[in-house]
Amino acid sequence: DAGVTQSPTHLIKTRGQQVTLRCSPKSGHDTVSWYQQALGQGPQFIFQYYEEEERQRGNFPDRFSGHQFPNYSSELNVNALLLGDSALYLCASSRTDQETQYFGPGTRLLVL
Amino acid sequence: GENVEQHPSTLSVQEGDSAVIKCTYSDSASNYFPWYKQELGKRPQLIIDIRSNVGEKKDQRIAVTLNKTAKHFSLHITETQPEDSAVYFCAAWKTSYDKVIFGPGTSLSVIP
Repeated sequence: DAGVTQSPTHLIKTRGQQVTLRCSPKSGHDTVSWYQQALGQGPQFIFQYYEEEERQRGNFPDRFSGHQFPNYSSELNVNALLLGDSALYLCASSRTDQETQYFGPGTRLLVL
Repeated sequence: GENVEQHPSTLSVQEGDSAVIKCTYSDSASNYFPWYKQELGKRPQLIIDIRSNVGEKKDQRIAVTLNKTAKHFSLHITETQPEDSAVYFCAAWKTSYDKVIFGPGTSLSVIP
């Protein structure tokens, strides 16, 4: 039974570029949440997807958008990258009727 | 807005001693409180969680206590071992589709 997977593991981009990160949830999970974790800080909630819709959103600008596919996998897109977007991006999956979330290994994004 | 505070930010203990980390939350409607352990360069791992209808939960050397009146909950690790060294995050939310709020983390060092 595969856990939560994410790709790529590392990514380097320059300011102004766009990036797409991918997440596959744990088997049996239908909900995906995305987090941004800056160095030395706790994960910050970006948004949550369920039934291919954004269900909740944290305090992130519209440059951050996402998508969920029929197989429950999800993408996080960030446009017009800023230096401050450099962080570890984590996705977590869960079942919609349960609070427990399981994290993927993350994608480390560096914006130069 | 919702907020989770966590103390202390760093904690050093001798191997075999106990460690206690405390979190307070602002939203009285919160009813799910997980604790995650994150080792350097790795994903956050759920170690224990508690729901608001329970005051205490134990799992071997780890326990969590919840005081809903005071809006705080604590992680207790007994007989600490060097492998307990990591950053620990608390979190609070209301339902499985709620915004998730994480604390800023506690860096625990267990000295052999």
